Formats: sequence, structure tokens, C-alpha cells
Amino acid sequence: AQTVTQSQPEMSVQEAETVTLSCTYDTSENNYYLFWYKQPPSRQMILVIRQEAYKQQNATENRFSVNFQKAAKSFSLKISDSQLGDTAMYFCAFMKLGSNYKLTFGKGTLLTVNP
Amino acid sequence: ETGVTQTPRHLVMGMTNKKSLKCEQHLGHNAMYWYKQSAKKPLELMFVYNFKEQTENNSVPSRFSPECPNSSHLFLHLHTLQPEDSALYLCASTRERVGYTEAFFGQGTRLTVV
Repeated sequence: AQTVTQSQPEMSVQEAETVTLSCTYDTSENNYYLFWYKQPPSRQMILVIRQEAYKQQNATENRFSVNFQKAAKSFSLKISDSQLGDTAMYFCAFMKLGSNYKLTFGKGTLLTVNP
Repeated sequence: ETGVTQTPRHLVMGMTNKKSLKCEQHLGHNAMYWYKQSAKKPLELMFVYNFKEQTENNSVPSRFSPECPNSSHLFLHLHTLQPEDSALYLCASTRERVGYTEAFFGQGTRLTVV
């Protein structure tokens, strides 16, 4: 079974600054995907970024980037130039390849961006 | 708006009531999911449906009864629930594409059992 651990229940950052959210996971699988999802107060779970385990290059999406360390089983999310709209719960999630998109989530990190 | 709609947004029910949650998507997706989100716990996968067939039941108590009449609709029928079943229930849908799959989530139903 897979587990996903987010060790930071809450974080805060000043607007325009950079913040990094941590995620570690445990699996014996070799082929999998990792995701960061954002859940704002509207409760809609929105995909922020995803990483295929077979790719060594770290994924980036505009202001969002990841630091994927496969050997260390670490998958952190960096948010650059933080904006007030980034305030949300952020969930790290794991999916085994071929598992019909069954996601295993961490407990989440509440990020608050302060003006 | 992701294209996955859940109703109702909020529901308060007594332990002896029977109610249903509804999820609808018109994205052409063939798989639909129910997740439970409780406070201070990770999201838990409850059920998976593929082309209307249930392919996963994650040891969910029988007081939760899913129904998938077609690929666009998913229901969760609730009866004789317990207060610990109070949570946010999220529906998601996916469609397999070559080299890429993404889940789209609804906004959830906030369920309170009294």
C-alpha cells in the first residue's frame, strides 16, 4: 500500500514571495504519477501540477514547479510570486500507473498568502 | 467550474433518514469516483465505476450504497448513517487518454449527520 505524508499542516507566505510545500511518499512501485491538487474555500479540487515518475525532469506550470527526488521519495511544490488567490489547502497525491486513477492523498497543507 | 456538478451542496440528515447525493458530468468521461474528505484526514477513495460497472469498493460500510445508471451520473444513497459519517463527499470523473489522464472533481456535498 502507498502512503503520502505532508508534514506541514499550515504555512503562510507574504504576497510575491516564494514558498515550498513538502511531500514524501512510500511505495514499492516503480511506475507512478505524483500530483499536487489545490482546494480553495470553494471546495473544488483543482489539479495544479503532475509528475510522471519515469521523467527525470521536474514539472513546471507557470509559477508552480516541483522538486521530484525519486530515490528519496520526495515531491515538493514551489510556488513563486505568491498571489492572494493561492490561499488554499494543497494536497499531494500518488497514483500507481494502471490503477484506474485511484489517488492516495496526503492530509494536506493549508497555505495562507498574506497581503 | 470543472464540468462535474454535485447536488446538494449541503445536507443535514438524521440517523434514521434516507437521502441521496448526486453527481453529474457531461465531459464524456467513462470513470466516476466517490471520495470522502473528513477533517484532519486524507481523502479516502470509496467507490470506482468504469463504464457503469463498479470496479472498486474500498471496504465501505453498507449504509453507503452507490448507483451508476449511466456514464454521466453517479449517486450515493445514504441510510442509517452515523455522526462519524459527517464529511465532505467529493465526486470525480476521468477519461483515459494515451499518455495522459486527469481527474475532474466536483465541489462536494457537505454532509452533517445529527
